[in-house]
Amino acid sequence: EPEVTQTPSHQVTQMGQEVILRCVPISNHLYFYWYRQILGQKVEFLVSFYNNEISEKSEIFDDQFSVERPDGSNFTLKIRSTKLEDSAMYFCASRPGTSDPYEQYFGPGTRLTVT
Amino acid sequence: GQNIDQPTEMTATEGAIVQINCTYQTSGFNGLFWYQQHAGEAPTFLSYNVLDGLEEKGRFSSFLSRSKGYSYLLLKELQMKDSASYLCAVRERDKLSFGAGTTVTVRA
Repeated sequence: EPEVTQTPSHQVTQMGQEVILRCVPISNHLYFYWYRQILGQKVEFLVSFYNNEISEKSEIFDDQFSVERPDGSNFTLKIRSTKLEDSAMYFCASRPGTSDPYEQYFGPGTRLTVT
Repeated sequence: GQNIDQPTEMTATEGAIVQINCTYQTSGFNGLFWYQQHAGEAPTFLSYNVLDGLEEKGRFSSFLSRSKGYSYLLLKELQMKDSASYLCAVRERDKLSFGAGTTVTVRA
């Protein structure tokens, strides 16, 4: 069964450094998302992406964050200057199209640790 | 804004039934999802309701009342592997807004 993949599984970085988290959504999917989950807290929406542009973003997704679909398969989240509070599990998700049930398929996550 | 409430923890015995309630107040509503999340893993889809009523899917059922802002997930014939966190999520426009999750512990 096709699945969303994410790399790396764990990323450690120093405060102020840039990180790029990578995702390969399921191949025929059209809608892409990033969520994050700080340890012990709820899953939070960051951004949705469709037709090569951001369709919605949360307050968390400030100027330090950006997303890109550089080719037909990858979907990336960049954090320009990481802060300690960016430490979290970052999940990529995708879904096919406009039909029910609009289920979003989640990848296994990248654990980001900012020191 | 949104407010999605579910109990923090529940414990049940193997073979029993557990019902996890979720109440929500959100600015938009395009459906309600239930996801299962094992510790350190990604959420996996369990069920989806967009109309009022009960959706049954094997051992799992989910109910929705839009007028009451209420849903529940029913887990029947509990197995040890069902020990996990269960997340209630409301679809607003195209994003999912999650509750904090209910940790279910299944005891032998």
